[in-house]
Amino acid sequence: EVQLLESGGGLAQPGGSLRLSCAASGFTFSSYAMSWVRQAPGRGLEWVSTVFGGGGSTYYADSVKGRFTIYRDNSKSTLFLQMNSLSVEDTAVYFCAKEAGTAVPPYHFDWWGQGTLVTVSS
Amino acid sequence: DIQMTQSPSTLSASVGDRVTITCRASQSVGTWLAWYQQKPGKAPKTLICRASSLESGVPSRFSGSGSGTEFTLTISSLQPDDFATYYCQQYETYSPGAFGQGTKVEIK
Repeated sequence: EVQLLESGGGLAQPGGSLRLSCAASGFTFSSYAMSWVRQAPGRGLEWVSTVFGGGGSTYYADSVKGRFTIYRDNSKSTLFLQMNSLSVEDTAVYFCAKEAGTAVPPYHFDWWGQGTLVTVSS
Repeated sequence: DIQMTQSPSTLSASVGDRVTITCRASQSVGTWLAWYQQKPGKAPKTLICRASSLESGVPSRFSGSGSGTEFTLTISSLQPDDFATYYCQQYETYSPGAFGQGTKVEIK
């Protein structure tokens, strides 16, 4: 069965950095685009970033472009999100999500991790 | 950027009711639309893809329809387990506004 397990969340100060990880299992990791989706407290879902299976193509929401970097280690079936210059507006639960198809993305998400909470506060 | 707008934001209904949620796209997304269900403190669960294809294991009381810019999610007979928040998502392109703002289905 597919499993996605996020880690790395916690408390960061404004202007600080955090790196999130998502350990994947149960599927051929390198064949699928992977994404980060976040949800601020009491708010809806917001797509953050996507990386294609080979790692060569990446996409970002304008709100994080230039501050966040998505990348993956296919040898370890792990997805990452490096978050720099954090602001209070980045406070959210961050989900990693697997896209459903193996051809050219995008696809809908068919599996989600349980999420990791990032709190940005002084 | 493609923006998705759901209505209503909140819906009060009783067990057994037929419930319909609407999702509109700011430009055509074909049938590249999915619906997700989310319960408090949990990850979203995928219900429907390609606007009308039910994901494996999803009860048949859920159905989706539409194409282009207007889509609907229908629950034919609301069950206690269905009280949750529902989101539409376009995946025609990567866009910051890919998800609708959500529709909370609450007990009347």
